[in-house]
Amino acid sequence: GAGVSQSPRYKVAKRGQDVALRCDPISGHVSLFWYQQALGQGPEFLTYFQNEAQLDKSGLPSDRFFAERPEGSVSTLKIQRTQQEDSAVYLCASGDHLGSSVETQYFGPGTRLLVL
Amino acid sequence: AQSVAQPEDQVNVAEGNPLTVKCTYSVSGNPYLFWYVQYPNRGLQFLLKYITGDNLVKGSYGFEAEFNKSQTSFHLKKPSALVSDSALYFCAVRDLFSGGYNKLIFGAGTRLAVHP
Repeated sequence: GAGVSQSPRYKVAKRGQDVALRCDPISGHVSLFWYQQALGQGPEFLTYFQNEAQLDKSGLPSDRFFAERPEGSVSTLKIQRTQQEDSAVYLCASGDHLGSSVETQYFGPGTRLLVL
Repeated sequence: AQSVAQPEDQVNVAEGNPLTVKCTYSVSGNPYLFWYVQYPNRGLQFLLKYITGDNLVKGSYGFEAEFNKSQTSFHLKKPSALVSDSALYFCAVRDLFSGGYNKLIFGAGTRLAVHP
């Protein structure tokens, strides 16, 4: 496909359960971002990859959150021991430029996570 | 701290009338500004960005935005609104301390309702 895809689109988890969210970026995009969007709010930055290197994870809320992009393409965001406050839409975006050029980010449809 | 503000939670416009969605920014330096639109159950779609140059930026779907440095604003505009423009609109600014990549800081969003 031409755009960013994410799976699953919806996930219901019981509190304490581990979840894994997948992002397939646009082919060839070097940059990959994860954002968290709480209900009624704008997206908030979680982490950034440049190819397979995770250059910024300053937005991850706790050590229960972990992201990887081992081959510089597909990325997975993992949340361990989910809590109710983790309920949100998780958005993935990939970027078409690197470095000094101000790239445009293209977003996937998001994964809506509900923790009961 | 760098931030963007969208002072209106909702904007109501009659179809065919001009629309404006407001955004103000606070950054220490030259801002890189973006507008995205979000339709229900879909990810963010890029509309336009301001990097430098002309203060009037033209984007997708007939939208444009005017950068005003003295008023620190970047309002989104369209001459004639369509019912299909009804959606959630987000203004964003690049985090200038992100180390050269395009980490975005988003506003809380403005819901645009265009009435027939």
